[in-house]
Amino acid sequence: SAVISQKPSRDICQRGTSLTIQCQVDSQVTMMFWYRQQPGQSLTLIATANQGSEATYESGFVIDKFPISRPNLTFSTLTVSNMSPEDSSIYLCSVGVGPGEQFFGPGTRLTVL
Amino acid sequence: GEDVEQSLFLSVREGDSSVINCTYTDSSSTYLYWYKQEPGAGLQLLTYIFSNMDMKQDQRLTVLLNKKDKHLSLRIADTQTGDSAIYFCAESGGYNKLIFGAGTRLAVHP
Repeated sequence: SAVISQKPSRDICQRGTSLTIQCQVDSQVTMMFWYRQQPGQSLTLIATANQGSEATYESGFVIDKFPISRPNLTFSTLTVSNMSPEDSSIYLCSVGVGPGEQFFGPGTRLTVL
Repeated sequence: GEDVEQSLFLSVREGDSSVINCTYTDSSSTYLYWYKQEPGAGLQLLTYIFSNMDMKQDQRLTVLLNKKDKHLSLRIADTQTGDSAIYFCAESGGYNKLIFGAGTRLAVHP
């Protein structure tokens, strides 16, 4: 398994501002992902964070809104830019450590006023 | 496209078995997963099954896979109040990215 931590655990932000969420893993992993869970909803993949190259975004998500960094094999950041109340969600990072094994961090609960 | 469907709610009595069902559309899925989410918490990987398996058992959990019907189920034996949570079914949509169902809220009552 993998131990994943996220910072911050929660935040309340004003519209128009940006928030950077950090994800740290206790071991080197190739695959890191960012998901969004809107209130009362399921999880939707935002992007795959690739080490040494640009992130791969899913349909409906763009780099200008959700820039991602992956400077090494244990760390990634997701920025939520120019926030609006519709961005209020839980943001989760996950890692794939082997066939069939994908683990999630505790999530960052974001509220935008 | 890829889609995963689950019933939204299940209520069971403590000590009974719970069966949570899921259907998926992507026949090329390699792995199918069950995650548990308790209130205010992240996702806990409960179990997963490889697509060439029919069944997997792990203590109180039994996963059944009917690949022909694209149907996955999770059976929890001797359900306890601590099992109350939302259970998400997910399939691997390629390159390890997951497609999730809407989640089934399991309520366990005395």
